[in-house]
Amino acid sequence: DGGITQSPKYLFRKEGQNVTLSCEQNLNHDAMYWYRQDPGQGLRLIYYSQIVNDFQKGDIAEGYSVSREKKESFPLTVTSAQKNPTAFYLCASSIGSLAGYNEQFFGPGTRLTVL
Amino acid sequence: GNSVTQMEGPVTLSEEAFLTINCTYTATGYPSLFWYVQYPGEGLQLLLKATKADDKGSNKGFEATYRKETTSFHLEKGSVQVSDSAVYFCALSSDRGSTLGRLYFGRGTQLTVWP
Repeated sequence: DGGITQSPKYLFRKEGQNVTLSCEQNLNHDAMYWYRQDPGQGLRLIYYSQIVNDFQKGDIAEGYSVSREKKESFPLTVTSAQKNPTAFYLCASSIGSLAGYNEQFFGPGTRLTVL
Repeated sequence: GNSVTQMEGPVTLSEEAFLTINCTYTATGYPSLFWYVQYPGEGLQLLLKATKADDKGSNKGFEATYRKETTSFHLEKGSVQVSDSAVYFCALSSDRGSTLGRLYFGRGTQLTVWP
């Protein structure tokens, strides 16, 4: 089955610790995205990558970091510099902007709670 | 710039009622438009899409028409079911410039359908 997997589904961390969220896709998509979702605020873009070894900041990149060493993988690290990291994190992928329209496919999400 | 404004929720309906969720957008160029649905605790699923003016997207009884003259993409369903209870997001895909490939989301509309 082709799709996007995110692990773990629930994650608990102590304040001040860095934590890495996993995102893997086997859709052979070039582009990948990380969003943060808070109640009543919709989705906000953290980082995105249009191609391997390249990524761009989204609207709320502060306190986060990413890497894109492989086409299939786009891990997100939530650092201790992120002031309010408790949220639902969604990873998505798409064929790529050159495809014309840019339908994105989403993973099931990771709910991060910082204690 | 690019932005999406959608109807504030929550929306509460009885089963078999008619549904409309309004969505308007601001964009440069010729964006593609999408409706996504999110069930509790899950990621987003694409519900329907339209890639050019006057296109009608449809799926599972839901419909939306891309109206360039009114910059709108309202979601409709003739007869809702309890299983349609979810959060619905309107989104546009930028087709140019530094924002090429990005999706811009509305804040989401919570729909609850009672039997």
